[in-house]
Amino acid sequence: GENVEQHPSTLSVQEGDSAVIKCTYSDSASNYFPWYKQELGKRPQLIIDIRSNVGEKKDQRIAVTLNKTAKHFSLHITETQPEDSAVYFCAAAASGAGSYQLTFGKGTKLSVIP
Amino acid sequence: EPEVTQTPSHQVTQMGQEVILRCVPISNHLYFYWYRQILGQKVEFLVSFYNNEISEKSEIFDDQFSVERPDGSNFTLKIRSTKLEDSAMYFCASSPSNRNEKLFFGSGTQLSVL
Repeated sequence: GENVEQHPSTLSVQEGDSAVIKCTYSDSASNYFPWYKQELGKRPQLIIDIRSNVGEKKDQRIAVTLNKTAKHFSLHITETQPEDSAVYFCAAAASGAGSYQLTFGKGTKLSVIP
Repeated sequence: EPEVTQTPSHQVTQMGQEVILRCVPISNHLYFYWYRQILGQKVEFLVSFYNNEISEKSEIFDDQFSVERPDGSNFTLKIRSTKLEDSAMYFCASSPSNRNEKLFFGSGTQLSVL
């Protein structure tokens, strides 16, 4: 089955700096890669996702890049703000290939220091 | 914005007891899921449900677990005889169309088995 590794487990940045979180996956059939943000005590919320037919996707201060050859994808947050502090999870799925599940990474706790 | 709702938010039970966790998915969504998150660990897939039947389940989802959609709105997870290791946050999720994309998560039920 799919295995998703996520690094780092914790990340502290100064407000205004950029943050990068990296994930690798093992199943070459995976073609859908979402990122979820989970604030303390709250539900995971989808912040951005990318499919394997594109290499990069951007939404305001958030961008995701995907390298299918190397089987890794990354989340980039620019101009970080204190409200970006949360746990971020990457995930991978073989969408449309008979699978219904997302496989998550272990999460990265991002702390943005004012 | 529509949300997935879960009840109760916290459930404490004695080992060996049955528990039922309840979820109301977003009304026009077609795919329903249960995930769990043991404290400090990754979010793990339990089961997916589509067209009134289980479409996929993980190794965690053994004979002690069952799901049901008793009416047009509720989606439940039953654990027949709880074990200590079942203690976790249980998240219900739903998605509108594609099997494992654009999942919307509920706020979770924290299950504590004593």
